[in-house]
Amino acid sequence: DAKTTQPPSMDCAEGRAANLPCNHSTISGNEYVYWYRQIHSQGPQYIIHGLKNNETNEMASLIITEDRKSSTLILPHATLRDTAVYYCIVNKGAQKLVFGQGTRLTINP
Amino acid sequence: NAGVTQTPKFRILKIGQSMTLQCTQDMNHNYMYWYRQDPGMGLKLIYYSVGAGITDKGEVPNGYNVSRSTTEDFPLRLELAAPSQTSVYFCASSYRTINQPQHFGDGTRLSIL
Repeated sequence: DAKTTQPPSMDCAEGRAANLPCNHSTISGNEYVYWYRQIHSQGPQYIIHGLKNNETNEMASLIITEDRKSSTLILPHATLRDTAVYYCIVNKGAQKLVFGQGTRLTINP
Repeated sequence: NAGVTQTPKFRILKIGQSMTLQCTQDMNHNYMYWYRQDPGMGLKLIYYSVGAGITDKGEVPNGYNVSRSTTEDFPLRLELAAPSQTSVYFCASSYRTINQPQHFGDGTRLSIL
């Protein structure tokens, strides 16, 4: 599975859009991009995933570049409850997920 | 709907003791997983199962054993606890269909002293 690179930490003001980048330059054609988050020390929570098209659900939007070498998770109106560690994972089929160290996102009031 | 339930939530063991971490899910998921998370690190896969009677090793299986006698339950066994196994353990499950997200339990915090 392709490795991913994420910034270790980011800050965002409450009510603004939080844009979390992820580089996955070695991604192969059949690998998906998944995003999970972990709030405090709870179990990880699935957010969204995509292959090559942009995706949106009730939690977030996922923008994947045309060459698929990077992606951005967008939380459109961040709240304090979105403070968490966000993991970008590249995987063929959602099983055997490999978690890196993720991005620690802090939403500031 | 309980989802993925892990017990116990906390446990302290002495070196050399054994214990079983319990995990059960009520979503009729075929796939189940055990991860461990050391402080400040991401999760690492210990073992996984694609269905009852089938288990396979993940990234860090040494020192652990699993069994999958039913679809609902996937216990993780530590036979001879070592300080290096101090960690938070998460169980997860998912449907068999490709690309289905994993659902995680709240974790078991285990300390080996």
